[in-house]
Amino acid sequence: TQLLEQSPQFLSIQEGENLTVYCNSSSVFSSLQWYRQEPGEGPVLLVTVVTGGEVKKLKRLTFQFGDARKDSSLHITAAQPGDTGLYLCAGVDNYGQNFVFGPGTRLSVLP
Amino acid sequence: DSGVTQTPKHLITATGQRVTLRCSPRSGDLSVYWYQQSLDQGLQFLIQYYNGEERAKGNILERFSAQQFPDLHSELNLSSLELGDSALYFCASSSMGSGQVYEQFFGPGTRLTVL
Repeated sequence: TQLLEQSPQFLSIQEGENLTVYCNSSSVFSSLQWYRQEPGEGPVLLVTVVTGGEVKKLKRLTFQFGDARKDSSLHITAAQPGDTGLYLCAGVDNYGQNFVFGPGTRLSVLP
Repeated sequence: DSGVTQTPKHLITATGQRVTLRCSPRSGDLSVYWYQQSLDQGLQFLIQYYNGEERAKGNILERFSAQQFPDLHSELNLSSLELGDSALYFCASSSMGSGQVYEQFFGPGTRLTVL
């Protein structure tokens, strides 16, 4: 069974700070997605990474896929209150059959 | 707007009752996934359908069932409801992208409250 772990589980920071959250597994994934979910709403896809070592940037968010395609990180520069939410990573196995979601990192950015 | 629709948005019912949640996937998506999310918890995968057939099963209770119809919409049926079934229920859809890149797009969810 493929499992994804995310750390930290909770993170509370001040506006303007930088942060990194992590998504780790012992399994290899063909691709990995990051989602942000706000309370009471559905998760929204932020990015998909496919190639080992790949780095993608979305404004102040930088996503990296590990070389071995087993882990990923999300770095936010100069966090803003609007970044508050639950950040979920999800991996797709090499057969493209199964999605696995991590438990999420709950981020709170205080003004 | 993800293109995935779910109805109803809110549902309040009593213990022992049965409810049906409905999901319409994005145009062209063949796969539908159902998830349960209890308060402040992560997403619990329930079940996946692909083009009308069950593809994968997660932690779905025997009291719960689902199906996907020829027009690709899906319904999740929850019966003999218990207080602990109160949660947000999300539907997601996906399609084959380039190579083996699969992405899920989520609906707005149905908030079920069992009293």
